[in-house]
Amino acid sequence: EAGVTQFPSHSVIEKGQTVTLRCDPISGHDNLYWYRRVMGKEIKFLLHFVKESKQDESGMPNNRFLAERTGGTYSTLKVQPAELEDSGVYFCASSLTGRLYGYTFGSGTRLTVV
Amino acid sequence: GEDVEQSLFLSVREGDSSVINCTYTDSSSTYLYWYKQEPGAGLQLLTYIFSNMDMKQDQRLTVLLNKKDKHLSLRIADTQTGDSAIYFCAESPPRSSASKIIFGSGTRLSIRP
Repeated sequence: EAGVTQFPSHSVIEKGQTVTLRCDPISGHDNLYWYRRVMGKEIKFLLHFVKESKQDESGMPNNRFLAERTGGTYSTLKVQPAELEDSGVYFCASSLTGRLYGYTFGSGTRLTVV
Repeated sequence: GEDVEQSLFLSVREGDSSVINCTYTDSSSTYLYWYKQEPGAGLQLLTYIFSNMDMKQDQRLTVLLNKKDKHLSLRIADTQTGDSAIYFCAESPPRSSASKIIFGSGTRLSIRP
């Protein structure tokens, strides 16, 4: 079974530009999560989809971040406009049952805003 | 509040045991986890422990949970170079959304010959 796939693996953009990160969960996994790790700090929850619905978006930092999951399959996370403090590693995870020990994480997208 | 704390770095000699410590804040957390991140890779769930347990052993890994002190530790026996990674302690407090895991900042484990 293919794992959770994230694209791109690295992205370097200038402040003010737009970047879109993509996550393909494991096929059949209704639950999809976004997390990020900024500047070597703790990994923080951003949001949780169940199919195409946002179950919990309490971790989204501000309205420059927009997450979508049309059709309940892959998800995108758009940052517009990007700021320097958005630099970090963005992780996606998926799970079948929503049970937390059933998470499978992707390799992450390293975003650098210059 | 929700907070998981762990030291940032640990260096051990190859063949010795590594012990990574963590403290968490929510005593009602149902699960506590250890994740491993190798360079360029994603987060891999190493092991987890239910809050009603105080120890779990899996081959070279031993997890100890002290609920009274809200302290979790991960012991890696006979540490090898392949164990070099960042180890994240995490909890899932029931008072938070059921969907999220609270992570610590990670402990970078380096192995010296």
